[in-house]
Amino acid sequence: EDQVTQSPEALRLQEGESSSLNCSYTVSGLRGLFWYRQDPGKGPEFLFTLYSAGEEKEKERLKATLTKKESFLHITAPKPEDSATYLCAVRSSGNTPLVFGKGTRLSVIA
Amino acid sequence: DGGITQSPKYLFRKEGQNVTLSCEQNLNHDAMYWYRQDPGQGLRLIYYSQIVNDFQKGDIAEGYSVSREKKESFPLTVTSAQKNPTAFYLCASSARLAGGAFQETQYFGPGTRLLVL
Repeated sequence: EDQVTQSPEALRLQEGESSSLNCSYTVSGLRGLFWYRQDPGKGPEFLFTLYSAGEEKEKERLKATLTKKESFLHITAPKPEDSATYLCAVRSSGNTPLVFGKGTRLSVIA
Repeated sequence: DGGITQSPKYLFRKEGQNVTLSCEQNLNHDAMYWYRQDPGQGLRLIYYSQIVNDFQKGDIAEGYSVSREKKESFPLTVTSAQKNPTAFYLCASSARLAGGAFQETQYFGPGTRLLVL
């Protein structure tokens, strides 16, 4: 059974204080690892897809990396507007829907 | 302006009542999904459909029903058998690639919050 574990559950940062969010996964053949951002009361917004170990993708202050067992979402010099819940999901081999972790709730304080 | 719409934004259910949540997409996507989100629980899959007139149960299908009569629409009915329906419901869709596989990325609607009176 595919599983995704995100840590920490919640993270509080000062503005400009860089940090990383972790997503550990176990799947039977990874076909993609996905990061989403979700604001309170809204649907998740797609950020990145990673397909193979060693792959990295960047968008503004966010950088996602992937190893064979986990992914990190690095946040460089965060701003208050980066506050949100960040969700990680995986798709295993075959035509299966995404399996989500429980998310990390990030708060960036000015 | 392409996207996924869900209605209503808020829905109130009385005990013993069935209610239906709407999900419409104009992205020409073949696959559609329903997830339930509870605080601290992440997203849990209720039902999904890969093609019109076909759908599969997800992890928590009990107390829910769906239909897929049109490619653009995938309504979810929360039946009276669902004893704890209060949650945030999210609809998503994804395209089908050549060869039949799903496009990997799922795109989400804005959600419907269901509350019990």
